[in-house]
Amino acid sequence: DAKTTQPTSMDCAEGRAANLPCNHSTISGNEYVYWYRQIHSQGPQYIIHGLKNNETNEMASLIITEDRKSSTLILPHATLRDTAVYYCIVRSFGMTTDSWGKLQFGAGTQVVVTP
Amino acid sequence: GAVVSQHPSWVICKSGTSVKIECRSLDFQATTMFWYRQFPKQSLMLMATSNEGSKATYEQGVEKDKFLINHASLTLSTLTVTSAHPEDSSFYICSAPHYNEQFFGPGTRLTVL
Repeated sequence: DAKTTQPTSMDCAEGRAANLPCNHSTISGNEYVYWYRQIHSQGPQYIIHGLKNNETNEMASLIITEDRKSSTLILPHATLRDTAVYYCIVRSFGMTTDSWGKLQFGAGTQVVVTP
Repeated sequence: GAVVSQHPSWVICKSGTSVKIECRSLDFQATTMFWYRQFPKQSLMLMATSNEGSKATYEQGVEKDKFLINHASLTLSTLTVTSAHPEDSSFYICSAPHYNEQFFGPGTRLTVL
């Protein structure tokens, strides 16, 4: 699976939008972009994923560039509870649950939301 | 979303003993589960893939005789850290895929004295 590059850390003011970039320039056609976050001493939590279209759910929005070489996770109104390490992961598509690519975690971005 | 549980949430043991960690998918079946390890201030490292009814597959550098994995049913995988030593102290996390998502357990904190 393709590797990703993320900034090491990012600060965000409470109530503002947090825009988290991710570079995945070697992504291939059968690979999805996944975002997870990990709050301290907890298991990772799924946020969102996408292939090429922009996606939005109750937690966040995912903007993927047309060439798919980078993406941005947007937390529309950051709260203190959004302080976590955010991981951008590229994962290959599978026809069955068992054949999806493994989730390999990089270093992620430490996001600190301040009052 | 689907729920994955782990037990225990934390464990302290003496050096040389073995520790078993359970991972359960509570409301779905999982023929595959994954085990990760996370050291302080580091990212998650994939250790192995647990396969129901067959042998686990281990990532490069992970000792299969040290970390025994059993996936005896469609909802339960166990990781046994054999002859644990202080350097095995870590946060162990399991996950299970459900459709195109992967759900993670809350983790087990292992401290070896």
